[in-house]
Amino acid sequence: DMKVTQMPRYLIKRMGENVLLECGQDMSHETMYWYRQDPGLGLQLIYISYDVDSNSEGDIPKGYRVSRKKREHFSLILDSAKTNQTSVYFCASRLGGASAETLYFGSGTRLTVL
Amino acid sequence: QEKVQQSPESLIVPEGAMSSLNCTFSNSASQSIWWYQQHPGKGPEALISIFSNGNKKEGRLTVYLNRASLHVSLHIRDSQPSDSAVYLCAVSTTNAYKVIFGKGTHLHVLP
Repeated sequence: DMKVTQMPRYLIKRMGENVLLECGQDMSHETMYWYRQDPGLGLQLIYISYDVDSNSEGDIPKGYRVSRKKREHFSLILDSAKTNQTSVYFCASRLGGASAETLYFGSGTRLTVL
Repeated sequence: QEKVQQSPESLIVPEGAMSSLNCTFSNSASQSIWWYQQHPGKGPEALISIFSNGNKKEGRLTVYLNRASLHVSLHIRDSQPSDSAVYLCAVSTTNAYKVIFGKGTHLHVLP
């Protein structure tokens, strides 16, 4: 069963706190992604991971960092969260880098920063 | 920076009608183009993709790609209330690893 799992589903943090969003996949996919989705802005790419310890900035990486120490896990870290980082965060994975490959998404983490 | 634009923002059709959604992209060298469906509270799910100019049909879905005009469209035949969702156009850029999305079209199919 191909699955991308995101934890937690909902998270409330205060401004200045550190935030860890976790993502796992059971498909042995090489490539993983973090996106955020905001009303009126659509899905915006934060980071791409090509494999373990091989990551690249997306279009909006400022204020975020990532960690991938195992192929099946990809974490998004917000150091000192800001209110404008309130959003729904989606993790996705795909087999490799071929453009025809499907992205598989998790159900998202809704983060509220107060 | 490559861009993806979708129209209309919202589309309301009666059950049984054809739904037509549009997407334009900024780089003719973009690789595969995908359509994803997203229901409320869920992550996007892939529906259909196309790489070559022309059309591709899968069940009730037909997608048309014209690279010269940087345009791709999705047509849903015999639309059903269960088709009500947000439809996202996604483009694999010249860096095939990088996938960018449009803002989506909200489709409402009325029973």
